Amino acid sequence: GAVVSQHPSRVICKSGTSVKIECRSLDFQATTMFWYRQFPKQSLMLMATSNEGSKATYEQGVEKDKFLINHASLTLSTLTVTSAHPEDSSFYICSAGTGGNNQPQHFGDGTRLSIL
Amino acid sequence: AQTVTQSQPEMSVQEAETVTLSCTYDTSESDYYLFWYKQPPSRQMILVIRQEAYKQQNATENRFSVNFQKAAKSFSLKISDSQLGDAAMYFCAFIPLGATNKLIFGTGTLLAVQP
Repeated sequence: GAVVSQHPSRVICKSGTSVKIECRSLDFQATTMFWYRQFPKQSLMLMATSNEGSKATYEQGVEKDKFLINHASLTLSTLTVTSAHPEDSSFYICSAGTGGNNQPQHFGDGTRLSIL
Repeated sequence: AQTVTQSQPEMSVQEAETVTLSCTYDTSESDYYLFWYKQPPSRQMILVIRQEAYKQQNATENRFSVNFQKAAKSFSLKISDSQLGDAAMYFCAFIPLGATNKLIFGTGTLLAVQP
């Protein structure tokens, strides 16, 4: 149980393109999902907390207009990288919890975004 | 500030041997949860083990165990009988109780397993 599906796993696109990444909790409802960014050989950096039915909470330094987050249902959150540029190339990972801080977050498989 | 420190960027162990990965953290909270996650080359984050801070007994999951020292704010991971499949990046993380479920990660330790 507690499976999180992230799609797509790999995206290669031209500079200026907007890219949407989906994060789905397949067998549980997630009122909160998290979006992370990971550079090579580095730790996960939390970008934002996605709350179902309300606005996302962004971490300091993360551009809200650049990284649009929508959490329209209890099983789906999306991250849209708008007008992507090469510096946005990275590994993006989502996670979701089944509820409560004592429950571990379950991670998607990640999306490798490459902007040419 | 709440931080997690993993002082060993890289570690190596012989197959079948035991290795310990260190983790220290800093928080003013008294109740929190601690986790170790494994990230193999496939990049998927896999939960290895978790520990509730209010429990004195160290958590154990098969070949994985922790040494939780609350006073010292230390949470090391011991891997016994290391296997080739244990090679991965290991991240220590914690969540303060009552916070917004935000995991705070360490910088990771890259573990190599030598055959």
